[in-house]
Amino acid sequence: GAGVSQSPSNKVTEKGKDVELRCDPISGHTALYWYRQSLGQGLEFLIYFQGNSAPDKSGLPSDRFSAERTGGSVSTLTIQRTQQEDSAVYLCASSLGPTAGGNTIYFGEGSWLTVV
Amino acid sequence: SQQGEEDPQALSIQEGENATMNCSYKTSINNLQWYRQNSGRGLVHLILIRSNEREKHSGRLRVTLDTSKKSSSLLITASRAADTASYFCATDGDDYKLSFGAGTTVTVRA
Repeated sequence: GAGVSQSPSNKVTEKGKDVELRCDPISGHTALYWYRQSLGQGLEFLIYFQGNSAPDKSGLPSDRFSAERTGGSVSTLTIQRTQQEDSAVYLCASSLGPTAGGNTIYFGEGSWLTVV
Repeated sequence: SQQGEEDPQALSIQEGENATMNCSYKTSINNLQWYRQNSGRGLVHLILIRSNEREKHSGRLRVTLDTSKKSSSLLITASRAADTASYFCATDGDDYKLSFGAGTTVTVRA
């Protein structure tokens, strides 16, 4: 596609429910990132996928969070047993390759999650 | 963890004036990037400056980088109402993760 696509745009869920957030990166981009942004804050790194390498999950805040990337393209971020502190905008981004090579990261519009 | 820190946190200027914001970081970098975010949604890439570059221009934007001081600045000239947004700097070091600061919120008054 033309840009990074995320769905849903907005999600309201009850505390304790599981949610899935989807990211469709730019075609051909091997690197995919998930970030989280709480209201009025900067971006918090969650997870990074690069090609077929094992993902870097070091930013996931707890074992309730997991992410997959199927076929080197679409990624799903899953949050189990949601808590109110999980409320945030979840931003997905992709790039042609690692940023160290001067590659620009392109962001989607984000999925705004509200846990009530 | 946040490596880049923007300063000031907030900036209010009159349309037509210039806006300058600064970014400081802690460890060595390969690149530094500036992003704009409107209304808390997706980030738009503005400029990437490599560690061996000192200045870069893109339209009304001018970015400088001083690796000896571990700092960068973003200048927006002749600001417009549409420039109202939050601006973030992002750095990458030896790893691939972009580390973002908390951002500078710019308000351009008509």
